[in-house]
Amino acid sequence: QVQLVQSRAEVKKPGASVKVSCQAPGYILSELTIHWVRQAPGKGLEWMGGFDPEEGGEIVYSQKFQGRFTMTEDTSTDTQYMELSSLRSGDTAMYWCATGHNWDDPFDVWGPGTLVTVAA
Amino acid sequence: SSDLTQDPAVSVALGQTVTITCQGDSLRSYFASWFQQKPGHAPKLVMYDENSRPSGIPIRFSGSSSGDTASLTIAGAQADDEADYYCNSRDNSGRHLFGGGTKLTVL
Repeated sequence: QVQLVQSRAEVKKPGASVKVSCQAPGYILSELTIHWVRQAPGKGLEWMGGFDPEEGGEIVYSQKFQGRFTMTEDTSTDTQYMELSSLRSGDTAMYWCATGHNWDDPFDVWGPGTLVTVAA
Repeated sequence: SSDLTQDPAVSVALGQTVTITCQGDSLRSYFASWFQQKPGHAPKLVMYDENSRPSGIPIRFSGSSSGDTASLTIAGAQADDEADYYCNSRDNSGRHLFGGGTKLTVL
């Protein structure tokens, strides 16, 4: 079964950007549906966006994050990235990449998570 | 509306049955998935496609749906079931969404 690997924790200052990576060793990441989900301390899960390989690699963003959140892919290293800009304290959260087989399939595999802390 | 609404907290006596609900317009068209999350851990899929259990999920977990409401039922709740539970679905625009979560306490 696919396993997801994420980059390590980050500490950023307000206004900065953060880029978190997600890899699936042994799999071609661009062939997987990848979602990004975050959870602020003590809060619920938030879907941020996702990559759908079956729709020509379409990326769908949550309206809440549109404009600040970008998903990209480096095919040379088979890595997907999420980048969140104009960081504020409310962006302090655990960020996960997760996958389901297809866009409508459940998120059955989750990465270990990457903690992003935004602090002056 | 594309929101999914859950009760913030539910409690159940050990060994009894509890149902956690999730309500939203999108559930009239799309199935819900259910995730269990324990402190410090990533969410874990426990139910999908109305009433399908991933491998390893106990048979005491079941799911159902009717109209705009999806339900997760735990029959004979165990202490290990104490966790936060989240429903997830998608809306007509293709965007996914999560419910606000339900904290289950096993007494």
